[in-house]
Amino acid sequence: DAMVIQNPRYQVTQFGKPVTLSCSQTLNHNVMYWYQQKSSQAPKLLFHYYDKDFNNEADTPDNFQSRRPNTSFCFLDIRSPGLGDAAMYLCATGTGTENSPLHFGNGTRLTVT
Amino acid sequence: GQNIDQPTEMTATEGAIVQINCTYQTSGFNGLFWYQQHAGEAPTFLSYNVLDGLEEKGRFSSFLSRSKGYSYLLLKELQMKDSASYLCAVMDSNYQLIWGAGTKLIIKP
Repeated sequence: DAMVIQNPRYQVTQFGKPVTLSCSQTLNHNVMYWYQQKSSQAPKLLFHYYDKDFNNEADTPDNFQSRRPNTSFCFLDIRSPGLGDAAMYLCATGTGTENSPLHFGNGTRLTVT
Repeated sequence: GQNIDQPTEMTATEGAIVQINCTYQTSGFNGLFWYQQHAGEAPTFLSYNVLDGLEEKGRFSSFLSRSKGYSYLLLKELQMKDSASYLCAVMDSNYQLIWGAGTKLIIKP
């Protein structure tokens, strides 16, 4: 089945220790998104790629970086995690056109100790 | 600014019907999505409306009125597994999704 896969499902990191979350897709979608979601809040878009074009949201901290080496893979790098960065991180893919829903991975729950 | 409003929490009884409302103000409109999200899991797609009217999909239906900036999700014959958050999201003129904070639906036996 075509899908979006995120690894790991749960990640624990120490305050200030860099961490990388990964996402892969078999849907061949042009667009890949990274969202941060905290409890009982809407998903917050951090950035997205349309093919190789990177689009950063204005309020995404510099602490968050992303890489998309090819169509299938996308990575979220948190350079110096703080306690406030503990959240669920959701990767999603889409075609970037109307009537096209986003397809989400299962998410990575990040804990910062 | 862009804004999506939906109730924070609703409670309903197993077997009953519940309607979850969503109002929106966005820069342009390219459709409205409803997603279901169980606790600790990713959102899953439920429905899409871009034209006014009702879209029915089994026990779930979604309604849209573009002139009123209003949508609702109707869940019939509620089951315990329907306990989840329901997120309303609007695609704006830049094809970006604007998300509501979600409505937590609690189903009681």
